[in-house]
Amino acid sequence: DQQVKQNSPSLSVQEGRISILNCDYTNSMFDYFLWYKKYPAEGPTFLISISSIKDKNEDGRFTVFLNKSAKHLSLHIVPSQPGDSAVYFCAASLLYNTDKLIFGTGTRLQVFP
Amino acid sequence: DAGVIQSPRHEVTEMGQEVTLRCKPISGHNSLFWYRQTMMRGLELLIYFNNNVPIDDSGMPEDRFSAKMPNASFSTLKIQPSEPRDSAVYFCASSFVQETQYFGPGTRLLVL
Repeated sequence: DQQVKQNSPSLSVQEGRISILNCDYTNSMFDYFLWYKKYPAEGPTFLISISSIKDKNEDGRFTVFLNKSAKHLSLHIVPSQPGDSAVYFCAASLLYNTDKLIFGTGTRLQVFP
Repeated sequence: DAGVIQSPRHEVTEMGQEVTLRCKPISGHNSLFWYRQTMMRGLELLIYFNNNVPIDDSGMPEDRFSAKMPNASFSTLKIQPSEPRDSAVYFCASSFVQETQYFGPGTRLLVL
């Protein structure tokens, strides 16, 4: 039973355009959310996070939006660059226990010139 | 810092054999995590330790899997006996408690 779902296994975007990666969760108790990025043959690396007291968090080209009522979050990358091509994992946890992360299945983003 | 170190990077074994995966966390970190990545289930948390003590092993799939952390700088994940469905990439991660997790490069396991 997947508590965190990334329904798009892949996404292809042209360089310079916006990439939007989506994530849905089923457990309404989750109140802390993260995105990790993974290149081939490497481990995932932390990208950006958001707690449920906010609906938006921005870090440079990366913005995460949280819609609690819809149990949905999204990662926007603007503008997309070829170096952003990677697998992106969404993760969720309880704010009082961010050690226990529940990850989604990942979305492979390809940014082409 | 060298980051989280995992060995071996690749392991090919036959069904029924024992497999031992090793992890050296980042020095100073006091939490250590073992994850498994598959296409179908994504990244699954198997077990995590705080200060060398197992805190939550609810993700360990069955008794064939065991994990130990004898000291702050070393952990093992053992599968005995291994089965083809155990084929996956296994990641170790470390952090300060409740802080950002840093992942190792993973061990790609293939059980024939």
